[in-house]
Amino acid sequence: AQSVAQPEDQVNVAEGNPLTVKCTYSVSGNPYLFWYVQYPNRGLQFLLKYITGDNLVKGSYGFEAEFNKSQTSFHLKKPSALVSDSALYFCAVRDDGSGGYQKVTFGTGTKLQVIP
Amino acid sequence: GAGVSQSPSNKVTEKGKDVELRCDPISGHTALYWYRQSLGQGLEFLIYFQGNSAPDKSGLPSDRFSAERTGGSVSTLTIQRTQQEDSAVYLCASSLSLGGTEAFFGQGTRLTVV
Repeated sequence: AQSVAQPEDQVNVAEGNPLTVKCTYSVSGNPYLFWYVQYPNRGLQFLLKYITGDNLVKGSYGFEAEFNKSQTSFHLKKPSALVSDSALYFCAVRDDGSGGYQKVTFGTGTKLQVIP
Repeated sequence: GAGVSQSPSNKVTEKGKDVELRCDPISGHTALYWYRQSLGQGLEFLIYFQGNSAPDKSGLPSDRFSAERTGGSVSTLTIQRTQQEDSAVYLCASSLSLGGTEAFFGQGTRLTVV
């Protein structure tokens, strides 16, 4: 069975500092990996995905994530945090087999708090 | 519409009552998904529709939950005889196709059963 872990319930970072939100995964085949962000009272918004190719993936709002196969990780990063980045971040994974989002497993989310 | 639209945004209902939640996906998206988001937990997959095919109901937590999708577009999720443990945010998402690697989510319906 596939799984995804977000080991930190909350991450606090000062505005202007780099931020990292951690994610590790487990799948039987090759992973498809996703990051979504959820602002209060809003649905999830797609940030970025890794399917294949370059291990460093760039996404929306200046975020990027690095796929590390040996460590089975897909940490979300941003060089300089903004207060407006404060939100709930979800990592998700599925294997490369057939099917769609019904096959995606979401993490429990990490609350990012950027302190002015 | 420009995005996935869900209604109502908030619903408070008494235990034992039935509720209907509505989802209007992005035009042209053939795949539609329902999830439940409980406090402190990730997204729990409930059901998905692909075009006019029979839905995959494998995630529905009990037979009190059902969903339909009319004309391959709008979907309704019905919860019968609601229980307090049904309180959660119900999210709908759509993607261009079943194999689509990007899903677009609605803002959700916050259901509170009192």
